[in-house]
Amino acid sequence: DTAVSQTPKYLVTQMGNDKSIKCEQNLGHDTMYWYKQDSKKFLKIMFSYNNKELIINETVPNRFSPKSPDKAHLNLHINSLELGDSAVYFCASSQPGQGAYEQYFGPGTRLTVT
Amino acid sequence: AQSVAQPEDQVNVAEGNPLTVKCTYSVSGNPYLFWYVQYPNRGLQFLLKYITGDNLVKGSYGFEAEFNKSQTSFHLKKPSALVSDSALYFCAVRPPTSGTYKYIFGTGTRLKVLA
Repeated sequence: DTAVSQTPKYLVTQMGNDKSIKCEQNLGHDTMYWYKQDSKKFLKIMFSYNNKELIINETVPNRFSPKSPDKAHLNLHINSLELGDSAVYFCASSQPGQGAYEQYFGPGTRLTVT
Repeated sequence: AQSVAQPEDQVNVAEGNPLTVKCTYSVSGNPYLFWYVQYPNRGLQFLLKYITGDNLVKGSYGFEAEFNKSQTSFHLKKPSALVSDSALYFCAVRPPTSGTYKYIFGTGTRLKVLA
């Protein structure tokens, strides 16, 4: 049983297009995150939701819009894609309210913008 | 500013030898500390954490880490390295006052275990 899943695994698209990445967790966690990992493997937090409420919104272009329809799902929509958006995007979840604190990561979505 | 440093981009060690991957942090208060491992084309996997208590914590795959408050360090260790330990390792910190559950990640250290 996959704990944190993401779709699609690979996404190749052209500049200017709009795309979405979906994330689902079956761990019952309240908190979910989106991270961006660049080509140098640096990991940068983008957004976090706690029980469907946005709690972290880092300095990210407003072309990126997260949506959490329920606490098990966190999607990422990207408008007007640019070359610099090419990266691996990771979804993660955690349950800090119960003292667990560690994050569980999805397998990643490799986005390539041409 | 709060930060996490992993001073080595890469660590090479011979199989069977002990390994250490270094992590230092600059966070006020008593942070929560974590180590994660990333294998090629995979997501990060949780290895171990320090929240409170004993300074030496044990985790998955025989890894352990020692919390040193005076040196603000949380180095990852393993007594005997395996070739299969070769991967990218990330140290992460959650500041204690982070009501938003924000985690700060280091830049990662690539561990290469040589047969």
